[in-house]
Amino acid sequence: QKEVEQNSGPLSVPEGAIASLNCTYSDRGSQSFFWYRQYSGKSPELIMSIYSNGDKEDGRFTAQLNKASQYVSLLIRDSQPSDSATYLCAVRFYNQGGKLIFGQGTELSVKP
Amino acid sequence: DVKVTQSSRYLVKRTGEKVFLECVQDMDHENMFWYRQDPGLGLRLIYFSYDVKMKEKGDIPEGYSVSREKKERFSLILESASTNQTSMYLCASSFQGARFHEQYFGPGTRLTVT
Repeated sequence: QKEVEQNSGPLSVPEGAIASLNCTYSDRGSQSFFWYRQYSGKSPELIMSIYSNGDKEDGRFTAQLNKASQYVSLLIRDSQPSDSATYLCAVRFYNQGGKLIFGQGTELSVKP
Repeated sequence: DVKVTQSSRYLVKRTGEKVFLECVQDMDHENMFWYRQDPGLGLRLIYFSYDVKMKEKGDIPEGYSVSREKKERFSLILESASTNQTSMYLCASSFQGARFHEQYFGPGTRLTVT
């Protein structure tokens, strides 16, 4: 069973803090990992993708991948109220073509 | 910029009606996907297609069918709408030649079946 798991939250952080979102997956052979942001009533928007172990930074966002431990995380530095959204982790498992498996999402609330 | 569009943002239909949801992408992507999203259940894959006239069942295909006559267009059909098909429907596309298969979503269609 291919699974992607996230804490549903809500995760509440004060404005300016670092928000840390975590995701674990079941298949050690997984190849590609993605973070999507979804505002209430809107569709998911791709914000980060990572394929190799280690960190990948893009502005205030850092994705971290540890394939040995089968987890991927997203750090949001200097969190802003506009970052309040649900964050979906998605994984492309080995031999699944173009299909992605999505986690249930973590709701993030950034308090002013 | 990748552009995925869906025919309607909001749709209200009656039980038993045949419903067509259309999705068009302008990036020449081979792969197209239909999901539904419900509170507490996350994103669930209904059908997907890797090529024109090709379709494969996802995790919850019952009550749905699809059509892909042109590369840029992928239609989801509810043959006889039922109230349990009230949901947010999301279309996505991705490039088959890409190493990592990032998917890009359309704006979604919120369907209510009464």
